[in-house]
Amino acid sequence: GQQLNQSPQSMFIQEGEDVSMNCTSSSIFNTWLWYKQEPGEGPVLLIALYKAGELTSNGRLTAQFGITRKDSFLNISASIPSDVGIYFCAGRSNSGYALNFGKGTSLLVTP
Amino acid sequence: KAGVTQTPRYLIKTRGQQVTLSCSPISGHRSVSWYQQTPGQGLQFLFEYFSETQRNKGNFPGRFSGRQFSNSRSEMNVSTLELGDSALYLCASSAGDTDTQYFGPGTRLTVL
Repeated sequence: GQQLNQSPQSMFIQEGEDVSMNCTSSSIFNTWLWYKQEPGEGPVLLIALYKAGELTSNGRLTAQFGITRKDSFLNISASIPSDVGIYFCAGRSNSGYALNFGKGTSLLVTP
Repeated sequence: KAGVTQTPRYLIKTRGQQVTLSCSPISGHRSVSWYQQTPGQGLQFLFEYFSETQRNKGNFPGRFSGRQFSNSRSEMNVSTLELGDSALYLCASSAGDTDTQYFGPGTRLTVL
């Protein structure tokens, strides 16, 4: 599978700050997904994107499917301590079923 | 609906042994995928089963195999374990072949 480039690798922020992370690929994807994983657990789906240009929100989270279909970003507004975890982007191309994952962004939020 | 369940949650084995991991998908989901997660390589796709047939396979050696039963439950087997097989093994289910995948909590395998 193809590895996605996810950045930043880690973020250490204060409660209340906004967070932005992004993911890029050298190939076109037709689906972008964002997951959050907490220690000892499997990834939990946050947002799914299916169309280029699509902007979707889930509470304080907003994600966009890039127009070029090769990138996506996730924003978290007004972060809180329970936002702590590792955020993964995942993409799927037309040529395959498997999800290709980024290496994750580790988010730490201090009260 | 109950989520994806995986058993056991933790497993310790020694090199050369084999291991079988189990995954029960969300009720009504017919597709089950398996992923290996390690700190160095991240999340990597192992294989996917749909209606008891393996439809997709990642780039892993033949020591890694799986199967799916008629009730959509799936098992994954790793034979002749190596130290490098230590990882979190995640199972994900989806309703159809391009639908969103939902993950289980994983099985943490440690090979000594």
